[in-house]
Amino acid sequence: AQTVTQSQPEMSVQEAETVTLSCTYDTSENNYYLFWYKQPPSRQMILVIRQEAYKQQNATENRFSVNFQKAAKSFSLKISDSQLGDTAMYFCAFTNYGGSQGNLIFGKGTKLSVKP
Amino acid sequence: EAGVAQSPRYKIIEKRQSVAFWCNPISGHATLYWYQQILGQGPKLLIQFQNNGVVDDSQLPKDRFSAERLKGVDSTLKIQPAKLEDSAVYLCASSPGLPQTQYFGPGTRLLVL
Repeated sequence: AQTVTQSQPEMSVQEAETVTLSCTYDTSENNYYLFWYKQPPSRQMILVIRQEAYKQQNATENRFSVNFQKAAKSFSLKISDSQLGDTAMYFCAFTNYGGSQGNLIFGKGTKLSVKP
Repeated sequence: EAGVAQSPRYKIIEKRQSVAFWCNPISGHATLYWYQQILGQGPKLLIQFQNNGVVDDSQLPKDRFSAERLKGVDSTLKIQPAKLEDSAVYLCASSPGLPQTQYFGPGTRLLVL
């Protein structure tokens, strides 16, 4: 079975500092996508960043970057220059590439608090 | 571009009652998903539609949950009768195809008393 594990239930960081959220996953597939989604309190889930497994280069989106280690099945998210608006639940998610099913398998999430 | 719309945003019902949720995906998105998110957990897929056909409903409790996607656009998710453990946020998501990024709606927060 495919699983996603986020080992840090809660984290906090000071504004303007850098924080890294961890994620590991388990799959026997070779082609897949990995995502980080952000869910602010009482607000909807939005995509932060996406990584295709066949790409060796780590994805970056402004202050957000990932460290994708395919052999170790690790996919961490680094947030640089943290802002108060980054306070949210962060979910790591996985989906297979190909086939007819594209559902996301989510981890349990990491609650990030950015402190002023 | 309008996002995924869901209604109602909140619903409180008593156990054994029925409830229905509505979702309107992003225009042109062929794939629609319903997820259940219990407090403190990540979302879990209930059902996936490709156009108006069901692709995956293996985790849908079919004795009480049903879903349909009319004309391959809007979708409704129904629970009848509701149980206490159905209290959760029900998220609708859509994507242009497979595998693509999924875009989520604001969710419907259900409380079963």
